[in-house]
Amino acid sequence: DAGVIQSPRHEVTEMGQEVTLRCKPISGHNSLFWYRQTMMRGLELLIYFNNNVPIDDSGMPEDRFSAKMPNASFSTLKIQPSEPRDSAVYFCASSPGGGNHNEQFFGPGTRLTVL
Amino acid sequence: AQSVTQLDSQVPVFEEAPVELRCNYSSSVSVYLFWYVQYPNQGLQLLLKYLSGSTLVKGINGFEAEFNKSQTSFHLRKPSVHISDTAEYFCAVGTQGGSEKLVFGKGTKLTVNP
Repeated sequence: DAGVIQSPRHEVTEMGQEVTLRCKPISGHNSLFWYRQTMMRGLELLIYFNNNVPIDDSGMPEDRFSAKMPNASFSTLKIQPSEPRDSAVYFCASSPGGGNHNEQFFGPGTRLTVL
Repeated sequence: AQSVTQLDSQVPVFEEAPVELRCNYSSSVSVYLFWYVQYPNQGLQLLLKYLSGSTLVKGINGFEAEFNKSQTSFHLRKPSVHISDTAEYFCAVGTQGGSEKLVFGKGTKLTVNP
């Protein structure tokens, strides 16, 4: 199994540009999570999906952020317009679902730099 | 709401020394507890988890953790560390019967020196 796949691994963009981060969860996993990691705030859950449906988006910072999961094998996190304070490492994770006692499997992350 | 406090942001130790990384949590309901490890430029990996039963949990790479309900703690220990254990360690809590959300602590960076 290839694990959780994220692309791109690194993204450098200018303020005001649209950024799209991509995630392919582990096949057969029903839950998908988007996290943001910064030095100041640590690891924060942005949103999670179960069976492609958004369950909790209370961590999404503002309307500039949106996430979609059009099918079981693909999800995107979009920032439009991007700002320097969005610079962070964004992780996608997946789990089998069915309860939070299950391990979450993390991707390698996308390091976003907004200039 | 749940919260997790990792009391030490950085812990330096010498190789082959024992180490304890501290984690305290706050929750009004029963919890599941996890320790994850993050090596440089990688995602997080599960070290161990406590769901129920024995309060002493053994994980990968020789780590273990003890759940203490009265002290609301879940400290991580290893009797003898290696250089390769240098990484950041995250404690996380989830609610039993609740959503799939986990709340993570801010992490403890363990540096093992020769």
